[in-house]
Amino acid sequence: AAGVIQSPRHLIKEKRETATLKCYPIPRHDTVYWYQQGPGQDPQFLISFYEKMQSDKGSIPDRFSAQQFSDYHSELNMSSLELGDSALYFCASSTLGIPGNEQYFGPGTRLTVT
Amino acid sequence: KNEVEQSPQNLTAQEGEFITINCSYSVGISALHWLQQHPGGGIVSLFMLSSGKKKHGRLIATINIQEKHSSLHITASHPRDSAVYICAVESNFGNEKLTFGTGTRLTIIP
Repeated sequence: AAGVIQSPRHLIKEKRETATLKCYPIPRHDTVYWYQQGPGQDPQFLISFYEKMQSDKGSIPDRFSAQQFSDYHSELNMSSLELGDSALYFCASSTLGIPGNEQYFGPGTRLTVT
Repeated sequence: KNEVEQSPQNLTAQEGEFITINCSYSVGISALHWLQQHPGGGIVSLFMLSSGKKKHGRLIATINIQEKHSSLHITASHPRDSAVYICAVESNFGNEKLTFGTGTRLTIIP
């Protein structure tokens, strides 16, 4: 069965550069969640989208933006990168509507800012 | 105080032992998830619970809504079970974002 796809899997950027992370949800899933997991830390919710509209927002810096496209894939755009942005970025997908629908996680993109 | 707390933080056991990992939460929830994260980072969803008990192979998850507590049990543990196990909750506001616990690092020694 198709799973959540994230690209790239690894990304190395320098300070002040920009990065774009992509997430392709499971077919027919209409909701995408982005999480950030810093080294040795719990994953933290960044932002979510339902039917191409932002549905919730967490601790996402103003330097980051995200959107969901008509094919339901989502992109997380990160500008003016800082060393502290180095983390594992997960996306997850689900179908919204029934509270408690299972979320399926992608493998993550490991971003290293040098 | 974190909304989701797990214990223990680290657990080392011999192969074959029965393992229990506990999760307590302080907010109202619509569902609780148990996740497994291996070195390298990928997260796998093990269970999603809103009541009662679920079993999958050697894994059993239970939840007590009144006590705001869940447990993950592993029977006949094996070295390949070594991973970080994370409890995460969905609030009952219906927005479905997950709030994660701090994780339990499990090491099974052959």
